[in-house]
Amino acid sequence: KQEVTQIPAALSVPEGENLVLNCSFTDSAIYNLQWFRQDPGKGLTSLLLIQSSQREQTSGRLNASLDKSSGRSTLYIAASQPGDSATYLCAVRGGANNLFFGTGTRLTVIP
Amino acid sequence: DGGITQSPKYLFRKEGQNVTLSCEQNLNHDAMYWYRQDPGQGLRLIYYSQIVNDFQKGDIAEGYSVSREKKESFPLTVTSAQKNPTAFYLCASSIGARGWQPQHFGDGTRLSIL
Repeated sequence: KQEVTQIPAALSVPEGENLVLNCSFTDSAIYNLQWFRQDPGKGLTSLLLIQSSQREQTSGRLNASLDKSSGRSTLYIAASQPGDSATYLCAVRGGANNLFFGTGTRLTVIP
Repeated sequence: DGGITQSPKYLFRKEGQNVTLSCEQNLNHDAMYWYRQDPGQGLRLIYYSQIVNDFQKGDIAEGYSVSREKKESFPLTVTSAQKNPTAFYLCASSIGARGWQPQHFGDGTRLSIL
């Protein structure tokens, strides 16, 4: 069964710093990988989706990469801001119904 | 605005009681999903529906039931058979159930036991 791991579980950085969040998965047979943001007590907001044939996706200050063969993805956040503080989840899609989630990285950006 | 609406935001259940969580979407999506989120764990799939009048069990369906009588609605009932129902429940939808199509999420319902 697919297992998704996110490291670190929590991260604190000063405002303005660039940072990288990591996601690894055990089965490389995936359709896509999606990064989400979750604010406390809220639902998930989709940030970036990388199809299995793609290597990276960019949206504003966010860049996500995918190395399917090694089972790894990274989310790069440039020039972090206090508003970026949230939990970031990655999820891999293995089929029509199987979206496997990691446990998330809780990010705190200190003003 | 198009989106997914979950209600209520907070719900309390007494012992032995069934409760129903509402999920409505106006995105014209065919597929809908229910997930459960517990502290320190990833989201786990409860049930999913690829089309009206059809639904399938996910990884943790025991103690839950669903219906899909309308395209825009996918209510989840937490029955008294679910012995540990306290969790955050998230509903999602996608255009279709194909693997490459992204899922969009509602704001969740937090269920607690009285």
